Order: sequence, then structure tokens, then C-alpha cells
Amino acid sequence: KAGVTQTPRYLIKTRGQQVTLSCSPISGHRSVSWYQQTPGQGLQFLFEYFSETQRNKGNFPGRFSGRQFSNSRSEMNVSTLELGDSALYLCASSSGAPLNEQFFGPGTRLTVL
Amino acid sequence: AQTVTQSQPEMSVQEAETVTLSCTYDTSENNYYLFWYKQPPSRQMILVIRQEAYKQQNATENRFSVNFQKAAKSFSLKISDSQLGDTAMYFCAFMKDDYKLSFGAGTTVTVRA
Repeated sequence: KAGVTQTPRYLIKTRGQQVTLSCSPISGHRSVSWYQQTPGQGLQFLFEYFSETQRNKGNFPGRFSGRQFSNSRSEMNVSTLELGDSALYLCASSSGAPLNEQFFGPGTRLTVL
Repeated sequence: AQTVTQSQPEMSVQEAETVTLSCTYDTSENNYYLFWYKQPPSRQMILVIRQEAYKQQNATENRFSVNFQKAAKSFSLKISDSQLGDTAMYFCAFMKDDYKLSFGAGTTVTVRA
């Protein structure tokens, strides 16, 4: 079974631009979660989608948004990029129940200049 | 909000020895889930072990075991017979029925040959 894939792996943007990151979950998984990892704030939950519905959202500004498609692939978008958005963005997929293992992708390293 | 505290930023252990990582959490929930994740230098996050709060028995996965003390809100991880491949950052995480993982700050474990 193929693992969770994230594209692109690395991204460099400038302040004010917008960016879209993509996550393809493991086949059969209907839940996709997004996390931001930074040295200062650690791992922080962004949002979780299940069957195209957002079930939970973290404490991030509205510049951060996401969506999930009918094939369970998910995208997250960050508009009006700030220097502080530089981070590793991790995507995780699972079947959807709380105790079920979340399988993480390799992440997208976003650098904002 | 749930908080997860890992008080040991770094731990070092000799190969074949045992190391214990501490984790405490704060919640008013009665039913929840606890996890330990491993993030090696390659950055792919991997689930090490998980525990449901209503289960009294401590979870065990090969060389990894936990000591779950619900009243004390403590969830420590013991790595026995440490191997060089265990070198990684270890994160303790909490989840209730909201599909959101709350992570601790992490403990860097270095296994010395």
C-alpha cells in the first residue's frame, strides 16, 4: 500500500504570495489532518477533514484554509504569506476514528522570504 | 484546552540500555487517547504506541511500553534494549473525540554506540 504523499516537498515563496499544498492519503482512508511544525511552536493542529467535511479546526487565522475532494485528496492554502508561516507542513491520513493510527506524510517544507 | 508537557528536552542512552521518557497532560475529559510518535532525522512521523484512557492495562509494542497513570495524568514511554535506530525526536500526543492531536514539545533521544 502506498503511503501518504505530499507535494511539493519544498517550496520557497515571498511575503504576500499565496501557496497551495497537496496531500494524497493512503488508499481507503477518508480522514486527512494537517499540522504545522516549527522550532518555536512545535506541532500545531490546523484542521481535519473527513469525507469532504471539516470536522475540526485549530487556532490559526483565516489565511489558512483547506478542502478535501471526493477522492479524499486534500489541499491546504495559505494566502498573504508572512515570514512566520515558514514551517514544515505535515499531512496525516487515517480511517477516521480517534484511536485509529494516523499515518504521516514526509511533509512540505515552506520557506517564506 | 488540553496541554501536553514533556519535561525532558534531550535524553541520551547507551545502546542496549533502557530509557524512560516522561509525559504529563492536563484534561477534564474522562475518555481520551494517548500516543507516542517518533520522528527520526528523515522527518517521517511514525506511531510508536497508543493507549485508550479507559483501558487500565499498559500498552506494549515489542521493546516499547508505557506506564499510564490516569489519576496522575502521566503517560511515560520506556524504550528497552535501545538500538541506534531509536535515535529520534519522540512526541507525546493527546486526542479526545475531536480528531485533533495535541502534541508535547518533544524529547530528543540519542542512542550512543
